[in-house]
Amino acid sequence: GDSVTQMEGPVTLSEEAFLTINCTYTATGYPSLFWYVQYPGEGLQLLLKATKADDKGSNKGFEATYRKETTSFHLEKGSVQVSDSAVYFCALSDLSGGSNYKLTFGKGTLLTVNP
Amino acid sequence: DAGVTQSPTHLIKTRGQHVTLRCSPISGHKSVSWYQQVLGQGPQFIFQYYEKEERGRGNFPDRFSARQFPNYSSELNVNALLLGDSALYLCASSRGLAGGETQYFGPGTRLLVL
Repeated sequence: GDSVTQMEGPVTLSEEAFLTINCTYTATGYPSLFWYVQYPGEGLQLLLKATKADDKGSNKGFEATYRKETTSFHLEKGSVQVSDSAVYFCALSDLSGGSNYKLTFGKGTLLTVNP
Repeated sequence: DAGVTQSPTHLIKTRGQHVTLRCSPISGHKSVSWYQQVLGQGPQFIFQYYEKEERGRGNFPDRFSARQFPNYSSELNVNALLLGDSALYLCASSRGLAGGETQYFGPGTRLLVL
């Protein structure tokens, strides 16, 4: 079945540091890939997505490129801010069982950015 | 525009009881999905509904059931609650069922089973 493996946390960085959170996936079909972010006490918000190979999703300074050859979708940001502190989830959407596009999530990576 | 709304926000039940969670999708969205998020884990898929029909079901026991109404709102029902059902229950809506469609999540209902 489909699965997503992402870097275990927690990750602690200083403000303005470079961020990478690794994500790899296994899928039977040709999935779409997503990064969602969950701030404390809130639901999930879409951060970015990519729907085909070599697509780059970007939003709020975050980027991720859909790499089919390495089955990866690593999240990067050049300079993190304290406000980026949250849990980040990598997810894929694939035609599962032929009738629905459920999201399959990784376990999440807690990011803490210190001033 | 209003986002996905869920009610109640918090709920405390005892083992063996029944619970109903409610979700209203974004206006114009016809698909609703339910996910269970246990503390420290990623969300797990429970159900997906589209145009009032069940289109997918995750690996959850028959104690879990759901339905979608003509106005596209949805209910998730859980019978005979177990301690392990304690979790954040998330509802997500999307316009349709295409693979690249974004699912927009509500704030969730936090269920505690004692």
